[in-house]
Amino acid sequence: GAGVSQSPRYKVAKRGQDVALRCDPISGHVSLFWYQQALGQGPEFLTYFQNEAQLDKSGLPSDRFFAERPEGSVSTLKIQRTQQEDSAVYLCASSSPSTRQPQHFGDGTRLSIL
Amino acid sequence: SQQGEEDPQALSIQEGENATMNCSYKTSINNLQWYRQNSGRGLVHLILIRSNEREKHSGRLRVTLDTSKKSSSLLITASRAADTASYFCATDAGNRDDKIIFGKGTRLHILP
Repeated sequence: GAGVSQSPRYKVAKRGQDVALRCDPISGHVSLFWYQQALGQGPEFLTYFQNEAQLDKSGLPSDRFFAERPEGSVSTLKIQRTQQEDSAVYLCASSSPSTRQPQHFGDGTRLSIL
Repeated sequence: SQQGEEDPQALSIQEGENATMNCSYKTSINNLQWYRQNSGRGLVHLILIRSNEREKHSGRLRVTLDTSKKSSSLLITASRAADTASYFCATDAGNRDDKIIFGKGTRLHILP
């Protein structure tokens, strides 16, 4: 079956612009996670949904970052007024309610802020 | 914040040799996982070991867990060129939810 799909794969934006990153999780996966991965580093947790409920957003770096999952499937991570330090790979993962772990990852969106 | 710390940060070995990577963590856990990431791709789950387990095998992978030392190791036997990737450990930090925390990773390079 289809895995986690993220779009776009690459995004270049000018500083100050808003961007929206999309994640299509595996069908039926209840849990959805967003991570930020800087070059040469491990993924850093941003936020977590169970169905449409955002249960943990403690990793969001600032109020410029906003995530939603209105119907409990597709999720969007929005970054407003982007800054150069937002440049990173943004990874999305989903997991099944029956197994909880492991998480299945998409290939990420590489965001470059000029 | 990172919960796990992998050691070494980078490792180069000859094809056919065994590769060992270590992970140390800070707080009590329910389980620990290892993931692999090929360049430009997402992470792929390799193996999960629960806090009451000491060793687990999957194909050429062997994972150990020592909760008294808060450490784990990943052994890849008979390495292949395709094993070249970054390897991350991840822990749940004892949480009851699904959130996991990754380490910084070990970059493994298999030399032909």
